[in-house]
Amino acid sequence: GAGVSQSPSNKVTEKGKDVELRCDPISGHTALYWYRQRLGQGLEFLIYFQGNSAPDKSGLPSDRFSAERTGESVSTLTIQRTQQEDSAVYLCASSFFGGAYEQYFGPGTRLTVT
Amino acid sequence: SQELEQSPQSLIVQEGKNLTINCTSSKTLYGLYWYKQKYGEGLIFLMMLQKGGEEKSHEKITAKLDEKKQQSSLHITASQPSHAGIYLCGADFDGQNFVFGPGTRLSVLP
Repeated sequence: GAGVSQSPSNKVTEKGKDVELRCDPISGHTALYWYRQRLGQGLEFLIYFQGNSAPDKSGLPSDRFSAERTGESVSTLTIQRTQQEDSAVYLCASSFFGGAYEQYFGPGTRLTVT
Repeated sequence: SQELEQSPQSLIVQEGKNLTINCTSSKTLYGLYWYKQKYGEGLIFLMMLQKGGEEKSHEKITAKLDEKKQQSSLHITASQPSHAGIYLCGADFDGQNFVFGPGTRLSVLP
């Protein structure tokens, strides 16, 4: 079946612009995660959605970052007024349920802020 | 400081050799996950361990979680060039937030 998909695969934007990244999770997966991987660093947790519960936003690095998810479907991660330090690969993952269930990752969106 | 540590940071082995990668936490793990990352392919889930002392195998890769659930090892038998990549351990400490280790870069020389 279809895996997690993300779009765009690559995004180059000018500093100060807003960007929106999209994630389509595997159908039936109630949990959705966003991560960021900056060059030379490990994966960094950003935000977690579980069903219709309020998302865990504890990993968002600043108030320029926000994410939404409609029900148990598509999620968008928005970065406002992008900065060069936002350049990274943004990964989305989904799982059947939160917690101990295995996460399936999308291919990522490579964001470059010039 | 890192909640998860991995060792070694990088590893170069000759094809056919066995190798072990370790992942250590200072806290008890709710679940421990191993992933492989290959350039341009994204993260691939390898296996998940939950119970102390649990051991799982997939093809030539075996992972074990210690009894205290604070350390896991990933062992590759008779390594092949296809095993090359970055191996990441990930941990679930409280059933929600997820943390990754810094990764171990594995190169396998033909």
